Amino acid sequence: QKEVEQNSGPLSVPEGAIASLNCTYSDRGSQSFFWYRQYSGKSPELIMFIYSNGDKEDGRFTAQLNKASQYVSLLIRDSQPSDSATYLCAVNSVAGGTSYGKLTFGQGTILTVHP
Amino acid sequence: GAVVSQHPSWVICKSGTSVKIECRSLDFQATTMFWYRQFPKQSLMLMATSNEGSKATYEQGVEKDKFLINHASLTLSTLTVTSAHPEDSSFYICSARGGHSANGYTFGSGTRLTVV
Repeated sequence: QKEVEQNSGPLSVPEGAIASLNCTYSDRGSQSFFWYRQYSGKSPELIMFIYSNGDKEDGRFTAQLNKASQYVSLLIRDSQPSDSATYLCAVNSVAGGTSYGKLTFGQGTILTVHP
Repeated sequence: GAVVSQHPSWVICKSGTSVKIECRSLDFQATTMFWYRQFPKQSLMLMATSNEGSKATYEQGVEKDKFLINHASLTLSTLTVTSAHPEDSSFYICSARGGHSANGYTFGSGTRLTVV
């Protein structure tokens, strides 16, 4: 079982629609959760991070975390063609020693927003 | 905001040669540096974690004698790919902890390595 799992997609939504991206993780000790956007050939850029159960909103983006279900999602409202990218879910699993603080990434979901 | 400068952005080298990639934290002290590798259409895979002044900790399956990591100062970490082979061709990305970015991780811009 992979530590962090995402549906690789591709997910295709029309412009203006809501895009819903999902992620599950296996380590119940995970403390913090991140969503990154990565354009082809570029480094990941942070969209949002969330620590507590519930929803966190930032502009058109909403992250949702359910630790009991080990599930985190990202909603993108009013999707734009410029949102077309690969979205990476990452989890920070707290462990002893040098493992502390490392991020484990999912395989990413390719999102395409078509006009 | 926190910035990590990664160089070179791309490099082509001949098989059997070595390549050094540098990551510098420009406005903060990077106490920990993570080195990732990303193959086409795959996710970021952690290669190693290094703390300033200490030996790097490598993930399972990563050859420490092939991928040399140096983190001699709080602002500079380097990854040297020794005796590179075509299968080492990949996108290498560093990520530093210790800055003031919103979540504490600052990524470099990545290095595209092509071994011919």
